[in-house]
Amino acid sequence: RKEVEQDPGPFNVPEGATVAFNCTYSNSASQSFFWYRQDCRKEPKLLMSVYSSGNEDGRFTAQLNRASQYISLLIRDSKLSDSATYLCVVNIDGGSQGNLIFGKGTKLSVKP
Amino acid sequence: DAEITQSPRHKITETGRQVTLACHQTWNHNNMFWYRQDLGHGLRLIHYSYGVQDTNKGEVSDGYSVSRSNTEDLPLTLESAASSQTSVYFCASSPGTPPYGTRGYTFGSGTRLTVV
Repeated sequence: RKEVEQDPGPFNVPEGATVAFNCTYSNSASQSFFWYRQDCRKEPKLLMSVYSSGNEDGRFTAQLNRASQYISLLIRDSKLSDSATYLCVVNIDGGSQGNLIFGKGTKLSVKP
Repeated sequence: DAEITQSPRHKITETGRQVTLACHQTWNHNNMFWYRQDLGHGLRLIHYSYGVQDTNKGEVSDGYSVSRSNTEDLPLTLESAASSQTSVYFCASSPGTPPYGTRGYTFGSGTRLTVV
C-alpha cells in the first residue's frame, strides 16, 4: 500500500459546484496533515492544515478520520481560479522532525 | 520579507557534467529539503537537512549530494548529470519544531533542469 494515496482525477466540474477530494494514508502514527495546492508549473503552496476536529477556511473544509486513516477536502461554490492540482500531505514520522510525504495530487478543472 | 529562492530557474546541461542547483532561505529555518517532480511520480525526496552539518538521504538520492555549511543554504549537486535527472527540482524549508504549525513546508519556485 502506498503511503499517501489520492484519486488522480481529473475532476471536471462547473462553476458553483461542490467537489470533494479524498486521501488515505498508511502510517497510523502520522500526526501532521496538510492540503497543498499546486498550479501548473509552479511550486506547491500550503492551502490548509488539517486538524482532528476538522477545520474550515472560507469555501474550503478539511476533515480527518484517524480511525480510517482518511483525509478529505471539500470545496464549495467552485471558482475558475480553484483549477489546480491538490496534494494531500502527511508526516510519516509521527510528529518528529520527519519528512512530509506528498500524494501525487488530484487535478481539478473548473469550467464556466 | 523572508523568502526561499532557487537558482537558476532553468538550466540545460550535457550528460556527464557536474551541476549545482542553489537554494537560499531567509526564514532561519532549521530544516531544508530537496524534491524532484516528474509526471506520474509526484514529489520525491532527494536529500534533506535538519541543521548545519546535517544531511540525510531521501527516497531518490543516488547521483545527488548536498552539503549544509550554514543555516541559509542547501545546494544540490548532480555529480555526473544523466538524462534521467531531467526534472523540475524544488527546494523547501520548515521550522524546526513539529508539527510545523500552520506553515508546513515553504517551497522555492523551482529549477527546471534538462540534461541533453
